[in-house]
Amino acid sequence: GEDVEQSLFLSVREGDSSVINCTYTDSSSTYLYWYKQEPGAGLQLLTYIFSNMDMKQDQRLTVLLNKKDKHLSLRIADTQTGDSAIYFCAEGGSQGNLIFGKGTKLSVKP
Amino acid sequence: DAGVIQSPRHEVTEMGQEVTLRCKPISGHNSLFWYRQTMMRGLELLIYFNNNVPIDDSGMPEDRFSAKMPNASFSTLKIQPSEPRDSAVYFCASSLTSGRAETQYFGPGTRLLVL
Repeated sequence: GEDVEQSLFLSVREGDSSVINCTYTDSSSTYLYWYKQEPGAGLQLLTYIFSNMDMKQDQRLTVLLNKKDKHLSLRIADTQTGDSAIYFCAEGGSQGNLIFGKGTKLSVKP
Repeated sequence: DAGVIQSPRHEVTEMGQEVTLRCKPISGHNSLFWYRQTMMRGLELLIYFNNNVPIDDSGMPEDRFSAKMPNASFSTLKIQPSEPRDSAVYFCASSLTSGRAETQYFGPGTRLLVL
């Protein structure tokens, strides 16, 4: 079935790079997404990548996609305390919905 | 645009009571999704609508849960009777259409506590 897996926690120091990893199962997904959830808030779309791309860069964010291994990663350069949040990986499901991972909680220590 | 609007933002009720959660999607969006988020189970899709029609309700936990979308600008999720295990954050999201490539926009959520 459709499934998205990601590690639950990541802790980094301010100024370091953060890398959040995700694996998915459905190779026919057209887009793969990263959403960010700040405390007490809903999910916000952070970035996405089209399945025929290997990499997408958007300011401090770099998304890498390895279709062969069905592996997606999100790199945040120069991580700031304001980046502390839960990051969700998602793929497009066959029913027109999104399949979300359980989320990775990023903690940034000063 | 105001984004997806949900009400109430917080709800505390007693076991056995009826709870109604409300959602107004972004104007012009044709698909609406209800999710539930808990620490144990993460984010779960409960049901989604396309053009006001329920497409997939396989995520609805049991008959105590029901959802309606009487028009393109309003949806409700009802729990009757409520139980303590229903305590969670309930999110509504909308997208322009349903499909693998459509971005979903989330509301702020309703935090439900059933005592």
